[in-house]
Amino acid sequence: EAGVAQSPRYKIIEKRQSVAFWCNPISGHATLYWYQQILGQGPKLLIQFQNNGVVDDSQLPKDRFSAERLKGVDSTLKIQPAKLEDSAVYLCASSLVRRANEQYFGPGTRLTVT
Amino acid sequence: LAKTTQPISMDSYEGQEVNITCSHNNIATNDYITWYQQFPSQGPRFIIQGYKTKVTNEVASLFIPADRKSSTLSLPRVSLSDTAVYYCLVGEETGANNLFFGTGTRLTVIP
Repeated sequence: EAGVAQSPRYKIIEKRQSVAFWCNPISGHATLYWYQQILGQGPKLLIQFQNNGVVDDSQLPKDRFSAERLKGVDSTLKIQPAKLEDSAVYLCASSLVRRANEQYFGPGTRLTVT
Repeated sequence: LAKTTQPISMDSYEGQEVNITCSHNNIATNDYITWYQQFPSQGPRFIIQGYKTKVTNEVASLFIPADRKSSTLSLPRVSLSDTAVYYCLVGEETGANNLFFGTGTRLTVIP
C-alpha cells in the first residue's frame, strides 16, 4: 500500500515570496490534515479536511496561509507572503473518517525562509 | 482540549524494557489514548491506541488504569533503532480532530 506522498521535500525561499506544497493521501482516506512542525516542537495542526470540506482550520493563519482539497483527494497548502517564522517542516497526514487518531504521515516538506 | 504531560527525555540501555508514562487528567469520556513515534527527518508514526485496560500489538503495550487519567507505553527490549521522540495524545475517534502533540518524550537508547 502506497503511503502519503508529499512534494517538494525541501524548499528555500526569501521572505515575502510565495510557496506551495502538495500532498497525495492514502487511497480511500477521506480525512486529510496539514501540520506545521517547528524544530524542537511537536506537530501543530493547521487544517483538517474531510473529503472536500474543511472540518477545522482554527489554527491556520488565514492572512497568509491557504489550503484546498479539490475532488476530495490531493491537497495543496500555500503560503503568501512567507515570513521568517514560517521556517518549519510541513507535514501532511491522512486517516479514515472513523479512525481519526490513527493518522498516516508523509515525509514532510522542509521549508527554509531567508 | 485534553492536554497531556510526559517526561521530556529518557535514557535506556539496549535490551531493557522502557516504560513512558503520560498524564491526562482532563481526559473526556469519548477520548482515546494514542501514541506516536517520530524519528528525525520523518513524519510521526502511529504505534498504538487504547481506551481502557491493556492493549498489546507487535510493537508495544499500552496500560490504562481504570480512572484513565494516565497511561503507560511499554516498549519491550529496546534497541538502538527505538531512539526517537514518543508522543502521547488524547482525542475522539471521529469528527474534528483535537489531537495535540506537545513536545513528546525523547528516548535515547544507549549501547
